[in-house]
This record gives sequence, structure tokens and C-alpha cells, in this order.
Amino acid sequence: AQSVAQPEDQVNVAEGNPLTVKCTYSVSGNPYLFWYVQYPNRGLQFLLKYITGDNLVKGSYGFEAEFNKSQTSFHLKKPSALVSDSALYFCAVNRDNAGNMLTFGGGTRLMVKP
Amino acid sequence: DTAVSQTPKYLVTQMGNDKSIKCEQNLGHDTMYWYKQDSKKFLKIMFSYNNKELIINETVPNRFSPKSPDKAHLNLHINSLELGDSAVYFCASSQDSGSGQGIYGYTFGSGTRLTVV
Repeated sequence: AQSVAQPEDQVNVAEGNPLTVKCTYSVSGNPYLFWYVQYPNRGLQFLLKYITGDNLVKGSYGFEAEFNKSQTSFHLKKPSALVSDSALYFCAVNRDNAGNMLTFGGGTRLMVKP
Repeated sequence: DTAVSQTPKYLVTQMGNDKSIKCEQNLGHDTMYWYKQDSKKFLKIMFSYNNKELIINETVPNRFSPKSPDKAHLNLHINSLELGDSAVYFCASSQDSGSGQGIYGYTFGSGTRLTVV
């Protein structure tokens, strides 16, 4: 079985400050990791993914995430937060040779204040 | 040019009614999904279809019946609606065909907010 944990229900950060949204996973085999963002009354939008290669992955809107195999983590980061980044963020995991069955974390609400 | 489109966007209905939600994707993807997002925003897979065939059917009441007339469409029919069915239902599609690669993420529709009164 595979699972994802997002330990923080909400993250608050001031505009211009760096932000981190945490994600840890549990999977057998090689993980494929994803971040999605959900704005109010919208569907989930793909931000970035890690499949293989460099541990630091860059994605849309200036976001990046770092894959850490030893800590089984895939934290989402941004050097300078914008008010418009306020949304719900979901981490998801799949694994190789398992079909395309994404398991999502419970989501973290990011609030960026001016 | 919406990639994954769901209709209706909002659905308010009385308990006991039967309703359907439609989903269409124009991405040429092989696999389509239905997810339920509850009031706490938790996303739970309900069904997955690959080329019109059911490949995942999680523990969902049999009042929920998916139908895939072709690989571009996956509709969700719900019988005898209950208050607990109130949620946002998301359709999604992926390029992966169940061959085990799993490297592709999903493209989501914008959701259908179902309210049962």
C-alpha cells in the first residue's frame, strides 16, 4: 500500500517570505511524486513531479520541490511567496509498475498575507 | 478548449432522487477517474476506467454506477441520493494506460458540487 502524509492542515506565511509545504510518503519500490494546487471552486492543477534524476524539481509559478529518499519526503518550496499563492496544495504518490493510481495526501491550505 | 469538462458544475437535489454527472476529455487519454472530495477536502478515488473497462472500483456504495460509452467519456450515475453524498466530485484523466508506468499525473476537471437536501 502507498500513502502520503501532509502534517500541516494550514501554513501561514507573509508575502515575500519563503514558504515550505511538507509532504512525506510511504511506498514500496521507486516513488513517483506529484504536487497539485487547488484554487477555490476549481479543479486540481498540476504543479510539478519527480520521477527520476535531480532531486530538486522545478515547476510552475516559481515552485520547486526536493526529493529526499532517506527522509521519504517531497517538500514543496518557493523562495518568495505571493498573496496569489494562497490555495490548497496536495501531494500525491504513485510507484513504478503499479499502474497509474495516484494516492493523495489530505491537503495543506497555504495562506499568504500581505 | 477545456481538456477535461464536467457537467453540471453545481447540482442541488432532494434525497432519494437519481442523478448523473457527465465527464468528457479531449486529450486522447486512455484512463479516466472519478474522485470524491469531502467537506474536509480529502480526495478519495472512486472508480478508474481504462479504455472503457473498469480497472479500479474502491469501496463505494452500489448506488454509484460509472458508465464509459467510449474512452473519452466517463459518466457517474447515482441512485437514491443520500445526504452523505453531498461532496465535490472530480473527474480526471491520465495518459497512462495501466501498463505500469505511472509516471504521468492526472488532468482534472473543475468539479461538480453536489448538494443533497
